[in-house]
Amino acid sequence: EVQLLESGGGLVQPGGSLRLSCAASGFTFSNYAMTWVRQAPGKGLEWVSTIGGSGVNTFYADSVKGRFTISRDNSKNTLYLHMNSLRGEDTAVYYCARITWNYGQYYFDFWGQGTLVTVSS
Amino acid sequence: IQLTQSPSSLSASVGDRVTITCRASQGINSYLAWYQQKPGKAPKLLIYAASTLQSGVPSRFSGSGSGTDFTLTISSLQPEDFATYYCQQLSSYPTFGPGTKVDIK
Repeated sequence: EVQLLESGGGLVQPGGSLRLSCAASGFTFSNYAMTWVRQAPGKGLEWVSTIGGSGVNTFYADSVKGRFTISRDNSKNTLYLHMNSLRGEDTAVYYCARITWNYGQYYFDFWGQGTLVTVSS
Repeated sequence: IQLTQSPSSLSASVGDRVTITCRASQGINSYLAWYQQKPGKAPKLLIYAASTLQSGVPSRFSGSGSGTDFTLTISSLQPEDFATYYCQQLSSYPTFGPGTKVDIK
């Protein structure tokens, strides 16, 4: 059974840093790209970042580029999101999700339960 | 690429046929997925490649469309289907539509 479990969320002051983790199980982690998606309170979904299976290729939304860094440790089956220079607008539930490719298409097929990040003084 | 959804919300009864539309600001071929989200829960993949049903998703859900216009249809609404539905394009960096909330009439 595929499971994704996020952790690391919490309250942080503006300008601060936080590292989110996503522990994966139930599949061969290194074979899959992974992604982070966030959802501000009462709002819709926003893609944040994606990393390839090897960790070499990374992609970011313009809203977080230069402030957030996605990484992974395939030996620990864990995905990370390092967040720096946090702003109030980064307040959201952060979800990790697995990316699956099928017949030239990709999609986010399994999601974690999310971890809440609150940026406030 | 921006996505719009209509309606933004709708009220329906159990057994109703429900249709939600998603429009892309430019052509995305069939690089579109649909997700269902219930309050306090993670999104759940329903359909990918515009019309392919994800494993385990009931057959009352269906998707269609290509290019810029897409549709999610629930053929007979069930109590567990009351939720918010999002479309997502994956032709370029992923973006989501604003969502359509389906609630009980």
